[in-house]
Amino acid sequence: QQQVKQSPQSLIVQKGGISIINCAYENTAFDYFPWYQQFPGKGPALLIAIRPDVSEKKEGRFTISFNKSAKQFSLHIMDSQPGDSATYFCAASRKLTGGGNKLTFGTGTQLKVEL
Amino acid sequence: KAGVTQTPRYLIKTRGQQVTLSCSPISGHRSVSWYQQTPGQGLQFLFEYFSETQRNKGNFPGRFSGRQFSNSRSEMNVSTLELGDSALYLCASSPGGYSYNSPLHFGNGTRLTVT
Repeated sequence: QQQVKQSPQSLIVQKGGISIINCAYENTAFDYFPWYQQFPGKGPALLIAIRPDVSEKKEGRFTISFNKSAKQFSLHIMDSQPGDSATYFCAASRKLTGGGNKLTFGTGTQLKVEL
Repeated sequence: KAGVTQTPRYLIKTRGQQVTLSCSPISGHRSVSWYQQTPGQGLQFLFEYFSETQRNKGNFPGRFSGRQFSNSRSEMNVSTLELGDSALYLCASSPGGYSYNSPLHFGNGTRLTVT
């Protein structure tokens, strides 16, 4: 059962444009929403994260918008650059009764930024 | 500080064989999680070890097992390999559980090909 839905599957943006990736979740127990960036041959690397009590978080060209009532969150990449070409994963974390947390990932968005 | 190290980077095995993958977490991190990444299923949680104990487990068959040593290093074993086990296996570490203030750090993975 997929608990985090991510769209689009792939995205092509012109250099300097805005890249937008959307995610939706079902489980209200999620308490932490990170975005990971993955380049070919590498593991995912944390890009930016947000808590559900915050509606927006910005770090440089990357912004997360969070809508708790709609159970949706999105990543905006401003002034997209060719170096941003990678696969992006949204994720959601919840605490487990046995201790620790479980991170559930979206299916990923392959972003290509063209010159 | 060195990142998460996974060995080997690539493995080719035959159906029916077994395989062991190794992970060295970031120094000081006591939690190690394993994920399977495939094009079709994305990133799927296998299990998490904390202080040498399996704390959480995903929905994978018993052929997938793991262990953690006293120095927090972890190994994952897959027995009776099937073609569908071909995937990138990612190890990730965190100090304890992972949270907004304590994110999950991934290694670059072991690419397993089963023929």
